[in-house]
Amino acid sequence: KQEVTQIPAALSVPEGENLVLNCSFTDSAIYNLQWFRQDPGKGLTSLLLIQSSQREQTSGRLNASLDKSSGRSTLYIAASQPGDSATYLCAALKTSYDKVIFGPGTSLSVIP
Amino acid sequence: GAVVSQHPSRVICKSGTSVKIECRSLDFQATTMFWYRQFPKQSLMLMATSNEGSKATYEQGVEKDKFLINHASLTLSTLTVTSAHPEDSSFYICSAGQDGLLEQYFGPGTRLTVT
Repeated sequence: KQEVTQIPAALSVPEGENLVLNCSFTDSAIYNLQWFRQDPGKGLTSLLLIQSSQREQTSGRLNASLDKSSGRSTLYIAASQPGDSATYLCAALKTSYDKVIFGPGTSLSVIP
Repeated sequence: GAVVSQHPSRVICKSGTSVKIECRSLDFQATTMFWYRQFPKQSLMLMATSNEGSKATYEQGVEKDKFLINHASLTLSTLTVTSAHPEDSSFYICSAGQDGLLEQYFGPGTRLTVT
């Protein structure tokens, strides 16, 4: 049974800092690993998706890595901004038609 | 990417009434749709999996007689919360998937408040 955990549960940083969010999963037989952002009271915004054959994906200030052998993924945010404040969810997918297993999320607060 | 819509986006109902939430895949046929529930400050928890034309599969602890799921077509799944109670107040999100797609696509969510 796949379990996804995230560390830390909450993080507060001053504006401009680089930061890393961590995600761990127990079953390495994944189809892809996806990072989402969720603003309070809102739905999910997909940030980055890493296929099982890939090691990393980049989009702007965001970089996500995947190490299947160790069951870990990291989301790196460069030069953080107050607008980055949100909850970040890591999710593992076994197949394109299987349920998505979400981590508990990291609540990020970037202080101006 | 593909688009999944949900309707309504927000609903307030009285205790004891039923509420129906629709989930539609707008530009692809979804053989499988999923319903998730999210309580405040918690992550998304899967409620049930629905495959077009067959009965939904519910996760442990989810009452199938209370949360009725219908997946009558490849583009539409509905979740009906029957005899709603205040503890059913939550954020409900659906997703749609299909063999061959790279990812699932999530709806924007429905905020249910039961008074």
